Amino acid sequence: EIVMTQSPATLSVSPGERATLSCRASQSVSSNLAWYQQKPGQAPRLLIYDASTRATGIPARFSGSGSGTEFTLTISSLQSEDFAVYFCQQYNNWPPYTFGQGTRLEIK
Amino acid sequence: QVQLQESGPGLVKPSQTLSLTCTVSGGSISSGDYYWSWIRQSPGKGLEWIGYIYYSGSTHYNPSLKSRVSISVDTSKNQFSLKLSSVTAADTAVYYCARSQYQLLVIEHWFDPWGQGTLVTVSS
Repeated sequence: EIVMTQSPATLSVSPGERATLSCRASQSVSSNLAWYQQKPGQAPRLLIYDASTRATGIPARFSGSGSGTEFTLTISSLQSEDFAVYFCQQYNNWPPYTFGQGTRLEIK
Repeated sequence: QVQLQESGPGLVKPSQTLSLTCTVSGGSISSGDYYWSWIRQSPGKGLEWIGYIYYSGSTHYNPSLKSRVSISVDTSKNQFSLKLSSVTAADTAVYYCARSQYQLLVIEHWFDPWGQGTLVTVSS
């Protein structure tokens, strides 16, 4: 089973600034990686798939990069609605699909 | 726009079987264009994929849960269901149903959308 590790656990950033979140896989997952956003009391929402493709309706300020074992989610200019928890998910080696433990993005 | 809604008991006793149903609206399970998954989220284990089903009844399960899990589909009701047997406190979680697209014989292995989730607590 591939283990996904996200860092940092909590990231404090001011509105309008850039946020960079990391996700590392225990072995290569090629570009088979997705990112999700989860707000309190809500289900996760798909942001990015295939490491860098934005899902339908996702603003351009969200971008994904990386391949192999190292991945990054960048939010270019943080809006108030972006403060949430973010998860990565690999789908290169399955079953099972596996998720990272999440990065909490909080207002500085 | 498709919506998924989980339903079922919020409290299950240890050693019993957890049973949940996901009702799909705004689209047909029988279209064959999607796979339908169960995913759970707990403070201790984070997000954990449980398994998925295709409208034909074909399934894939998480190996760590395979001995206790059964997912079934009822196309007449546009629903799919989860059964998890011999539950313990470790199975306490928010349970989500979610969809993955199936195009040109290829599964798109990400989940979109998800249901709102339902909390299941295992306790006597």
